Amino acid sequence: KAGVTQTPRYLIKTRGQQVTLSCSPISGHRSVSWYQQTPGQGLQFLFEYFSETQRNKGNFPGRFSGRQFSNSRSEMNVSTLELGDSALYLCASSVGVGGDQPQHFGDGTRLSIL
Amino acid sequence: AQTVTQSQPEMSVQEAETVTLSCTYDTSENNYYLFWYKQPPSRQMILVIRQEAYKQQNATENRFSVNFQKAAKSFSLKISDSQLGDTAMYFCAFMKRTGNQFYFGTGTSLTVIP
Repeated sequence: KAGVTQTPRYLIKTRGQQVTLSCSPISGHRSVSWYQQTPGQGLQFLFEYFSETQRNKGNFPGRFSGRQFSNSRSEMNVSTLELGDSALYLCASSVGVGGDQPQHFGDGTRLSIL
Repeated sequence: AQTVTQSQPEMSVQEAETVTLSCTYDTSENNYYLFWYKQPPSRQMILVIRQEAYKQQNATENRFSVNFQKAAKSFSLKISDSQLGDTAMYFCAFMKRTGNQFYFGTGTSLTVIP
């Protein structure tokens, strides 16, 4: 069974641009969550989706948005990029919701802002 | 609000020796899950071990075991017979029983010395 796939693996953008990152969960998984990982702030929660509905959102500005499609694939978008948005963006998928559901992480997208 | 604290930014251990990584957390929840994740340089987050708060018995997975002290809100990870492949960042994480969001600690960088 294929794992969680995140594309692209690396991305370089300049300030002010926008970017879209993609996460394809394991087949049969309906829940997708996103995290931002930086050396200074560690791992911070961005969003959580289940069956196309956003269940939860972290404390990030409105420039960060996301969505989930009917096939459970999820995208996150960051507009008006800032230098501080440089980070590793990780997504995780699970069959359902709850701490008893094994979470599977992708390899992440490394976003660099110049 | 939930917080997870890892007070050891870096640790090292000789190959074949035993090492313990510390983690404390704060929550008002009664039912929750605790996790240790490993993140090698390859970036993928790999589940090491999971503990259900309502289970008093400490979880074990081969060379990995935890010391879960619910009253003290402490959740340490013991790695026995350390191997070179154990070199990685280790993150302690909390999740509510009905939630799908991880609260991560800041991580401990473990180096296994040959």
